[in-house]
Amino acid sequence: GAGVSQSPRYKVAKRGQDVALRCDPISGHVSLFWYQQALGQGPEFLTYFQNEAQLDKSGLPSDRFFAERPEGSVSTLKIQRTQQEDSAVYLCASSPTHSGFTEAFFGQGTRLTVV
Amino acid sequence: TQLLEQSPQFLSIQEGENLTVYCNSSSVFSSLQWYRQEPGEGPVLLVTVVTGGEVKKLKRLTFQFGDARKDSSLHITAAQPGDTGLYLCAGGDSGGGADGLTFGKGTHLIIQP
Repeated sequence: GAGVSQSPRYKVAKRGQDVALRCDPISGHVSLFWYQQALGQGPEFLTYFQNEAQLDKSGLPSDRFFAERPEGSVSTLKIQRTQQEDSAVYLCASSPTHSGFTEAFFGQGTRLTVV
Repeated sequence: TQLLEQSPQFLSIQEGENLTVYCNSSSVFSSLQWYRQEPGEGPVLLVTVVTGGEVKKLKRLTFQFGDARKDSSLHITAAQPGDTGLYLCAGGDSGGGADGLTFGKGTHLIIQP
């Protein structure tokens, strides 16, 4: 596709429910990032993949958060037993290289609301 | 932990005015990027600066990277309503790797016609 695609765009979950958020990066992009953006705040880093390898997961807020990219393309961010504080926009970004100097292309995000 | 502080947090000005927003840190970054984000969209890259003291111009936008690579500024000349948005600065780590950008909280800019 032309850009990074995320689905669903909006998700409402009842507290305690598990959710799965999908990211389709730009084809051929090596690096993939997940960020969490609270209302009115900047994005906060969650995790980073280089191809299928998860090289950094230091930003995941708890062991309820899990991300995977098994074939080095599509990635899924899973949140188990959702809590109200998980409500946020989850942004996925991809980059063609593993260099920190290159542009990260962002998807439109998934807005998660936990009720 | 590397932190980026942006100021001001909110700015509302009239069309045609000039403005400057700032991005400051106590840490050194290998690169610094400025993004603009509109409601319901992901951030879009405006510029990347990598050399201390570097100045880049993008039409009415002027970006500067501090000599010590700890701070940056974005100056907009003759602001237009289309400049409205959330402006984010993001720092790349000193190793130059892509372990994730560190974002500031952003400056919410509103340009009133």
